[in-house]
Amino acid sequence: DGGITQSPKYLFRKEGQNVTLSCEQNLNHDAMYWYRQDPGQGLRLIYYSQIVNDFQKGDIAEGYSVSREKKESFPLTVTSAQKNPTAFYLCASSWGTAQPQHFGDGTRLSIL
Amino acid sequence: GQNIDQPTEMTATEGAIVQINCTYQTSGFNGLFWYQQHAGEAPTFLSYNVLDGLEEKGRFSSFLSRSKGYSYLLLKELQMKDSASYLCAVRSLLMDSSYKLIFGSGTRLLVRP
Repeated sequence: DGGITQSPKYLFRKEGQNVTLSCEQNLNHDAMYWYRQDPGQGLRLIYYSQIVNDFQKGDIAEGYSVSREKKESFPLTVTSAQKNPTAFYLCASSWGTAQPQHFGDGTRLSIL
Repeated sequence: GQNIDQPTEMTATEGAIVQINCTYQTSGFNGLFWYQQHAGEAPTFLSYNVLDGLEEKGRFSSFLSRSKGYSYLLLKELQMKDSASYLCAVRSLLMDSSYKLIFGSGTRLLVRP
């Protein structure tokens, strides 16, 4: 079955530690996205990528980094510079940025 | 600036009809999406409007008025499983000709027996 897989489902980070969230899709979509969702708030765009080897900052990119070395994969690293990383992180993909986005099941990140 | 407003919470009765409103002020408007999100799960795509009027999809309908910056999602014959958050998202055209989705904070709908 085609879809978007995010792992792990739950992740804990220690102070000063970088962590990487995985996002893989087998939908052959060109565009991929990372969003952050905090309780009672909408989704906020962290980074997006329209094609392989290219990505752009979203509204809240500080403290995060991404790579897009393969079409299927768009990992997100939450660096120690992100001072408030506790949130629900959602990865999405679409044929192009004009098309409806399909979401993965999310990763919930917490601070130890 | 970009601004999307939705009610925070709504309550309705099983079998009834509920209308969830969304008002927006954005630049480069190029369509409006509605997503459903159950607690702790991924949002799922419900509907999309780019032109004014009503789009119907089974028990779900969505309406758009671009001149008023207004949309609503209409849910008919409510079922208990419809208890979820409903996210309104506006698609905006950016300077580099790509598109961006801007999400509202979502409306949490509780369906009671």
